[in-house]
Amino acid sequence: EPEVTQTPSHQVTQMGQEVILRCVPISNHLYFYWYRQILGQKVEFLVSFYNNEISEKSEIFDDQFSVERPDGSNFTLKIRSTKLEDSAMYFCASSTSGSSYEQYFGPGTRLTVT
Amino acid sequence: QKEVEQNSGPLSVPEGAIASLNCTYSDRGSQSFFWYRQYSGKSPELIMFIYSNGDKEDGRFTAQLNKASQYVSLLIRDSQPSDSATYLCAVSRTGTYKYIFGTGTRLKVLA
Repeated sequence: EPEVTQTPSHQVTQMGQEVILRCVPISNHLYFYWYRQILGQKVEFLVSFYNNEISEKSEIFDDQFSVERPDGSNFTLKIRSTKLEDSAMYFCASSTSGSSYEQYFGPGTRLTVT
Repeated sequence: QKEVEQNSGPLSVPEGAIASLNCTYSDRGSQSFFWYRQYSGKSPELIMFIYSNGDKEDGRFTAQLNKASQYVSLLIRDSQPSDSATYLCAVSRTGTYKYIFGTGTRLKVLA
């Protein structure tokens, strides 16, 4: 069964450093998403991406964040200058279509900012 | 008012019983509703989705939607200890791409 994959599973970085989180969505899916979950809190939407551009973003997704589809399979989330409060699980998800269609989540990357 | 509300639990049920999980939402424009299961330290796993009022059954799971009452529920029949997890309700409004998640209900199935 096809699935979303993410690397690395755990990333430790120092405050102020740049990190790139990588995702390979399900191959026939066209819509890609990033969510985050701070420990003990709910899953929060960050951004959606379709046809090589951002289709929607949340208030969390400020200028420190960017997304890219550098090739036909990868989808990345970059945090330019990490802060302590960026420590969270970051989940990539994908869906065949946008709007109301089912989103399938990857295993997540645990980001720890020290 | 929270956008998607769930009782945090834990909800404890004996093995073999029916577990009933509830979710309310505030946005009347919400059109799509999803239930995810999340084991501790793992990612959300989609188990059910429902778009129309009424019931939708898939194996041991039944999702129920009442848009007039802004209420969606998940029933798990013949609960097993392996069903012990946090169940997340997610809601999406037509025309947007984001899911709004509740905080989840922790279910404990006692052997």
